[in-house]
Amino acid sequence: GQQLNQSPQSMFIQEGEDVSMNCTSSSIFNTWLWYKQDPGEGPVLLIALYKAGELTSNGRLTAQFGITRKDSFLNISASIPSDVGIYFCAAMNYGGSQGNLIFGKGTKLSVKP
Amino acid sequence: EAGVAQSPRYKIIEKRQSVAFWCNPISGHATLYWYQQILGQGPKLLIQFQNNGVVDDSQLPKDRFSAERLKGVDSTLKIQPAKLEDSAVYLCASSSGTGDLNGYTFGSGTRLTVV
Repeated sequence: GQQLNQSPQSMFIQEGEDVSMNCTSSSIFNTWLWYKQDPGEGPVLLIALYKAGELTSNGRLTAQFGITRKDSFLNISASIPSDVGIYFCAAMNYGGSQGNLIFGKGTKLSVKP
Repeated sequence: EAGVAQSPRYKIIEKRQSVAFWCNPISGHATLYWYQQILGQGPKLLIQFQNNGVVDDSQLPKDRFSAERLKGVDSTLKIQPAKLEDSAVYLCASSSGTGDLNGYTFGSGTRLTVV
């Protein structure tokens, strides 16, 4: 079945450092998304990407939809302690009604003050 | 705007028992999803409803799992009988179905432990 390969699995960084994580698939998708999940909560959408090659920012977060439509990356600049959490990439092919999201296994981010 | 409400937050049951989870989506959202998130994994879709009809239940283990959304609003997911491997967080999500993925919202989930 379709699956997303997300890396790295975990990251330990110093406050102020930049972070980069990516997601690849052997399948083509028309939408890529990045979520953050805090302990005991559901995933919260950070950025949605709808066009191949699209580069979108949300504050210190920047994400890109790969040209091949098979990959995406997320960058976080100048990390702060509240960036701690698990980041998931997700992808879908939605048509008339929104389809289901396929998720990667997540990148656990730890930030040392 | 109220979010997606789920209950209970936690449930511990013995294997072979049955359990039910409840979800109330964001008001006006036509589409409702149930996801299963096993520890260390991303969420996996179990079932998608559009109003009170099932759109996709291809990954629902139908021998033990069932879900309904009778009036097209809130929904229940049931497991009967539960197995140890059903231990997971069960997330409900809802969306308007109009293509605005910013409105595709997850609840906080129900953490199920089967012992």
